[in-house]
Amino acid sequence: GQNIDQPTEMTATEGAIVQINCTYQTSGFNGLFWYQQHAGEAPTFLSYNVLDGLEEKGRFSSFLSRSKGYSYLLLKELQMKDSASYLCAVMDSNYQLIWGAGTKLIIKP
Amino acid sequence: GAVVSQHPSRVICKSGTSVKIECRSLDFQATTMFWYRQFPKQSLMLMATSNEGSKATYEQGVEKDKFLINHASLTLSTLTVTSAHPEDSSFYICSASSLSGNTIYFGEGSWLTVV
Repeated sequence: GQNIDQPTEMTATEGAIVQINCTYQTSGFNGLFWYQQHAGEAPTFLSYNVLDGLEEKGRFSSFLSRSKGYSYLLLKELQMKDSASYLCAVMDSNYQLIWGAGTKLIIKP
Repeated sequence: GAVVSQHPSRVICKSGTSVKIECRSLDFQATTMFWYRQFPKQSLMLMATSNEGSKATYEQGVEKDKFLINHASLTLSTLTVTSAHPEDSSFYICSASSLSGNTIYFGEGSWLTVV
C-alpha cells in the first residue's frame, strides 16, 4: 500500500532550528509537497520538490532524496507563529495526492 | 484509511457539459469543507469554503455561478463545474474540517479533463 510517515508531534524553542522528516512509499512519484496548517485554518503551501536536493526559501528549506523515499522540512530562526501542523504529501504515478497525517510543531519561548 | 473520500478520481467530459465531484467525510461530521484547485507543480488554490446548510464563500476571482458548491449534509459536499471548458481542466481537491476545527483532512483529489 501507499504510506506517508511523519512524526506526530515535535517541540522546539523559539529562535532554534527544527527538522521535520517525512518518509514515503508510493506507487510512483511525481513530486512532494509541504504545507503549513494552523488550527482551524486552510493549509498554505510551503514547498514542492521533484528533484533530489535542497530547496531554500527564506527561513524554510525542503530536502528530497527519491532513492531513499525521504524528505525533510527545515525551519530556521523559529518564531512563535511557526506553531502549526506541517503536512507532507506525495503525488503518485497516477497524479493523486497521498497525504501524511501531519506533524504538530509546538514552539516554546 | 482515508477519512475523506472524493469521487470520481478521474473524469473526462466534453466542453459545455457539467460535471459533479463529491467529497464525503467518512468517520466524522464536517461542518466546514474546503474546495481547492491545483495546477501541475503549483500550490493548492483555495476556491471556496462551504459550511453545512449555508451558502459557500468563494475566493476572489472564482466564479460562483460556474463552480456550484452544495454542502447539504455534515458528511457530503459537492462541486459542480458547469459549462466546462478546456481551461477548467485541473486537479480538484477537497478537505473537511471536524466539528472542533482542529484538524483538516484532505481527499485524494479529482482530475478533471475537459475535451
